[in-house]
Amino acid sequence: SQQGEEDPQALSIQEGENATMNCSYKTSINNLQWYRQNSGRGLVHLILIRSNEREKHSGRLRVTLDTSKKSSSLLITASRAADTASYFCATGLNTGGFKTIFGAGTRLFVKA
Amino acid sequence: EAQVTQNPRYLITVTGKKLTVTCSQNMNHEYMSWYRQDPGLGLRQIYYSMNVEVTDKGDVPEGYKVSRKEKRNFPLILESPSPNQTSLYFCASRVYGLEDNEQFFGPGTRLTVL
Repeated sequence: SQQGEEDPQALSIQEGENATMNCSYKTSINNLQWYRQNSGRGLVHLILIRSNEREKHSGRLRVTLDTSKKSSSLLITASRAADTASYFCATGLNTGGFKTIFGAGTRLFVKA
Repeated sequence: EAQVTQNPRYLITVTGKKLTVTCSQNMNHEYMSWYRQDPGLGLRQIYYSMNVEVTDKGDVPEGYKVSRKEKRNFPLILESPSPNQTSLYFCASRVYGLEDNEQFFGPGTRLTVL
């Protein structure tokens, strides 16, 4: 069963604008990660936020985590055409084996 | 260069013909995992391994086998492939631990089963 669900499924913005993607999950987590995937290629890790953290920054990325609402958001500021990709949230679960559950992703298109 | 490699990158086969997709990592990671990616479904975990000789099922293990005889290798075996296993497959590895969950992904293997 899917743990993470991203919203929106697709997002189209102009270069320079901010892009916000949301992720909701269902069970308790140890951490939540965001990954980027360029068309059909391997995923690249962007940022990890632990369950006891509320906000984290990395360059133009800002991630928030609300464990009471079981949700996270990824904000990309001053977007560039090179940010065009699919973005996935993934939750790290302590099930005795440390499963990782991915959402279906948000497809971001940044127009130059 | 730290990396996860997969072979083959592309494979077209027929129903029932056994195949193996290899995965190798050079980062001395304990944890390795296989995922399949299908349109609209994101990545779904097939199997994972926490260390040599320790494997466990993910969310969609049916029709797949794995083995972990060496730390660096984690092959995915399809004993009798079927068309519903046509998908894009990714291998990933990471350090084993509660806090270090950043995964490093291979380039993917696109499998078509006719």
